[in-house]
Amino acid sequence: AQSVAQPEDQVNVAEGNPLTVKCTYSVSGNPYLFWYVQYPNRGLQFLLKYITGDNLVKGSYGFEAEFNKSQTSFHLKKPSALVSDSALYFCAVRDPQGGGYQKVTFGIGTKLQVIP
Amino acid sequence: ETGVTQTPRHLVMGMTNKKSLKCEQHLGHNAMYWYKQSAKKPLELMFVYSLEERVENNSVPSRFSPECPNSSHLFLHLHTLQPEDSALYLCASSQPLSRNEQFFGPGTRLTVL
Repeated sequence: AQSVAQPEDQVNVAEGNPLTVKCTYSVSGNPYLFWYVQYPNRGLQFLLKYITGDNLVKGSYGFEAEFNKSQTSFHLKKPSALVSDSALYFCAVRDPQGGGYQKVTFGIGTKLQVIP
Repeated sequence: ETGVTQTPRHLVMGMTNKKSLKCEQHLGHNAMYWYKQSAKKPLELMFVYSLEERVENNSVPSRFSPECPNSSHLFLHLHTLQPEDSALYLCASSQPLSRNEQFFGPGTRLTVL
């Protein structure tokens, strides 16, 4: 069975500082990994994904994430946080070797608060 | 905003009512999903349709009934719901391949009285 853990309910960071939102996963094979963001009263928006290749993935709005197979992690990062980055962030995993329909498993979300 | 729309955005209903949620995608995708989002819980996948065929039904109570008349439209019919069914219901679409991300609608905020 596949699973995702987002160990922090909330992350607070000052505007202009780097931010990290943590994610670890568990799958039986090589994972497909995704990050989504949800702003208030909106659906989830795709930020970036890791499928294969370079471990550092760049996505929308200046976000990036690093796939670390040995630590089974896929932390989301941004060099300089903006107040407008304040939102709920979801990590998700899919096991491409699961066979049949391959369900995506989402984490419970981490609330990012960027303080002016 | 994404190419996935949901109506209504807000719905308040009594436990004896029947209502339907509608989702429409304008992205040419062939897979559509219903999720339930409750506070402090992971997104719960309810139903998946791929090429208009239901491929996933996650032990959802029968008071929720999905319908996918074509690849662009998805409905969730609601009947005799319980207060614990109050949540944000999200529709999403994607191409069926597992490497593809999902595109979400804004959700319907459902309150069951």
